[in-house]
Amino acid sequence: GENVEQHPSTLSVQEGDSAVIKCTYSDSASNYFPWYKQELGKGPQLIIDIRSNVGEKKDQRIAVTLNKTAKHFSLHITETQPEDSAVYFCAALRGNEKLTFGTGTRLTIIP
Amino acid sequence: EAGVTQFPSHSVIEKGQTVTLRCDPISGHDNLYWYRRVMGKEIKFLLHFVKESKQDESGMPNNRFLAERTGGTYSTLKVQPAELEDSGVYFCASSPGTFTEQFFGPGTRLTVL
Repeated sequence: GENVEQHPSTLSVQEGDSAVIKCTYSDSASNYFPWYKQELGKGPQLIIDIRSNVGEKKDQRIAVTLNKTAKHFSLHITETQPEDSAVYFCAALRGNEKLTFGTGTRLTIIP
Repeated sequence: EAGVTQFPSHSVIEKGQTVTLRCDPISGHDNLYWYRRVMGKEIKFLLHFVKESKQDESGMPNNRFLAERTGGTYSTLKVQPAELEDSGVYFCASSPGTFTEQFFGPGTRLTVL
């Protein structure tokens, strides 16, 4: 089955700097890659996603890039703000099968 | 519009006891999923309902776990008898279609002592 690895497990950046979280996947047939943000006491919330026919997608300060050949995708957050502090999860999905998640990255923005 | 709700938010039980978790999906969402996150690890898929039918239960750890979705509305996940390794946060998610965004509930934190 699919296996998703996520790095780093923790990340601290100064407010205003950029943060990058990377994931790799094992199943070349996976074709949908969402990113979830989990704030304290809440469930994961989808913040951006990308499908395998696209190499990059951007939504304001958040962007995701996908390299199908290398089987990795990354989340980029620019101009970080204190409210970006949370746990971020990447995931991969093949067709209509189950989502496979990474282990999460705890992002801390230092004011 | 109300989001996915889960009850209880926390549950502390002793090994060998029974616990039932409940999930109310977003109204009109036919797809309902259960996931579990053990501390520090990935969120792992448990099972997927389409309406009242189990579409995929390949992630259920063992036969101590029983999920139901009577009438295709809310779902329950029963653990009987609970073991120490069942501790974790149980998330429920729902979606209108199979290949669409999944909306997660806040989770139930289960602690088995």
